[in-house]
Amino acid sequence: AQSVTQPDIHITVSEGASLELRCNYSYGATPYLFWYVQSPGQGLQLLLKYFSGDTLVQGIKGFEAEFKRSQSSFNLRKPSVHWSDAAEYFCAVGAGDYKLSFGAGTTVTVRA
Amino acid sequence: DTAVSQTPKYLVTQMGNDKSIKCEQNLGHDTMYWYKQDSKKFLKIMFSYNNKELIINETVPNRFSPKSPDKAHLNLHINSLELGDSAVYFCASSQGGGTGTSPLHFGNGTRLTVT
Repeated sequence: AQSVTQPDIHITVSEGASLELRCNYSYGATPYLFWYVQSPGQGLQLLLKYFSGDTLVQGIKGFEAEFKRSQSSFNLRKPSVHWSDAAEYFCAVGAGDYKLSFGAGTTVTVRA
Repeated sequence: DTAVSQTPKYLVTQMGNDKSIKCEQNLGHDTMYWYKQDSKKFLKIMFSYNNKELIINETVPNRFSPKSPDKAHLNLHINSLELGDSAVYFCASSQGGGTGTSPLHFGNGTRLTVT
């Protein structure tokens, strides 16, 4: 069965600084990978997805992620964070079985 | 023009009661889901329906009974509520969820508190 690990429970970053969130997956075949963001009291919003092709994926809100098969990773990055990026971020993997498996999430706090 | 809407947003009830959460999507998707988010924000799938057929029942107690009257609706009924049922329940939908390639579109969640 597929699984996702997000090693960082909480990250604090200064506004304007860069951000990188780590995601490692476990799956035997080619995974379908997603990053979602959850603002307080809201549902999850898709930031970006990877299925195949170019391993550097661009998403909404200035986010990008890079798929590295050799490291089983799909890390999320943003060059310069804004206060509105404070939220919970989830990495997820799909394996073609009518469900996505989510990581435990990383809470991002942005300080002024 | 809400894509996935679920009601109510908040639900406070006592142990032993029965309650329902409703979900509707207007995206034309054929797959709908219920996810449970616990107090540590961990998201776990409960049920998945494709074209009104139950596909996944992820070891959920049979006090939880989903019902899909049509492709656009997936409701969740919970009998004999327990303290441990307190959580945020998310409805979601996707197109062709069986391939694993389709992103999920989430509702804003229902926060259930059992006292």
